[in-house]
Amino acid sequence: QVQLQESGPGLVKPSETLSLICAVSGYFISSGYYWGWIRQSPGKGLEWIGSLYHTGTTYYNPSLKSRVTISLDRSKNHFSLILSSVTAADTAVYYCARLGAGAAARTMDVWGKGTTVTVSS
Amino acid sequence: DIQMTQSPSSVSASVGDRVTITCQASQGISSWLGWYQQKPGRAPNLLIYAASSLQSGVPSRFSGSVSGTDFTLTITSLQPEDFATYYCQQANSFPLTFGGGTKVEIK
Repeated sequence: QVQLQESGPGLVKPSETLSLICAVSGYFISSGYYWGWIRQSPGKGLEWIGSLYHTGTTYYNPSLKSRVTISLDRSKNHFSLILSSVTAADTAVYYCARLGAGAAARTMDVWGKGTTVTVSS
Repeated sequence: DIQMTQSPSSVSASVGDRVTITCQASQGISSWLGWYQQKPGRAPNLLIYAASSLQSGVPSRFSGSVSGTDFTLTITSLQPEDFATYYCQQANSFPLTFGGGTKVEIK
């Protein structure tokens, strides 16, 4: 059974860089699937941040592309999110997820529990 | 980018009611659409993929359909555990986009 767990600092100062890790258990991420990050600002809807394929190919939300990097660490079986130059608007719950395959391609079929990140001085 | 317009933004219903939520895509996405349920403080949960395929473990009172660029999620006989927020998501192409959400509340 595949499980995902987000981790990282809960508080980041404005203009600094947010770094999160999604640890994957029950599956070797280098074996397949797309993996991704989604966020949800307080009281708001879901926003896709970006996804990467197990080969390392990445896709990003155009509105965040200049500040986002998603990468894979095969040796640790995790993938990470880096978001630079954060502002209060980046305060959100950040989720990592696996994207399905076949007919379920590009839908998120396994989710982490989410981690809350607050941007404040 | 493909825009997803979801309606209504909220609906009040009673246990046993039939509830219908719709999503319209700004361009053709074939059947590349997923529906999610999210309860407060929890991660979203995939209910339906490919517009009408039920994810494993999801009760059969949930169903999805498509007509052109219009997608529908139907909950027949609403149960107490179904009060939640529902989102659609287009899975046709990157960038992936979500609808604005529909909150199903107790009448």
